[in-house]
Amino acid sequence: DAKTTQPNSMESNEEEPVHLPCNHSTISGTDYIHWYRQLPSQGPEYVIHGLTSNVNNRMASLAIAEDRKSSTLILHRATLRDAAVYYCILREGGGTQGGSEKLVFGKGTKLTVNP
Amino acid sequence: ETGVTQTPRHLVMGMTNKKSLKCEQHLGHNAMYWYKQSAKKPLELMFVYNFKEQTENNSVPSRFSPECPNSSHLFLHLHTLQPEDSALYLCASSVRQRQWEKLLFGSGTQLSVL
Repeated sequence: DAKTTQPNSMESNEEEPVHLPCNHSTISGTDYIHWYRQLPSQGPEYVIHGLTSNVNNRMASLAIAEDRKSSTLILHRATLRDAAVYYCILREGGGTQGGSEKLVFGKGTKLTVNP
Repeated sequence: ETGVTQTPRHLVMGMTNKKSLKCEQHLGHNAMYWYKQSAKKPLELMFVYNFKEQTENNSVPSRFSPECPNSSHLFLHLHTLQPEDSALYLCASSVRQRQWEKLLFGSGTQLSVL
């Protein structure tokens, strides 16, 4: 499985932007970059995903480096409800039969948001 | 609420018991997944079903037995578990098992094995 590296923890203040980094130097051409987050006592929640271009949705923005070896999840204005563990995951292509496109979670970044 | 429903939310069982976890979704998704989350460990993928066919078994012990009778329902049958199997068991679904599809997770079943 392709690997990602994230800081163990980060801290932010409420209503400020947050940039969560992820390194994935062994990424291959068909790997999608996914971000999920997990709030305490809940299942993971999808945040955003992309392949090559930057992506925006109502929750966040995903900035992907030109060489795709790193990416950054951007929360534009952090709220207390954004405190969670954020996972950056590479989802590998499984060939034409769509075989083993596993979503393999690492340890993630624990984000603390201060009021 | 993601549309992926897991029951029960909490389960306590003895090592000789047999129990089942249930997951259902009516989102029209065709891929379903079981994950295990032990305390202070990353989520571990256990099984994947795509169009009712098992496509992934991540070296899971045979005391865990999955069943996918149709694309809307997924079960995890448990028998002769060990205390170290105590964990949060999470179900997820996606439209298909492709790398650009997002997964929707249920809230999980918190299992305690005594």
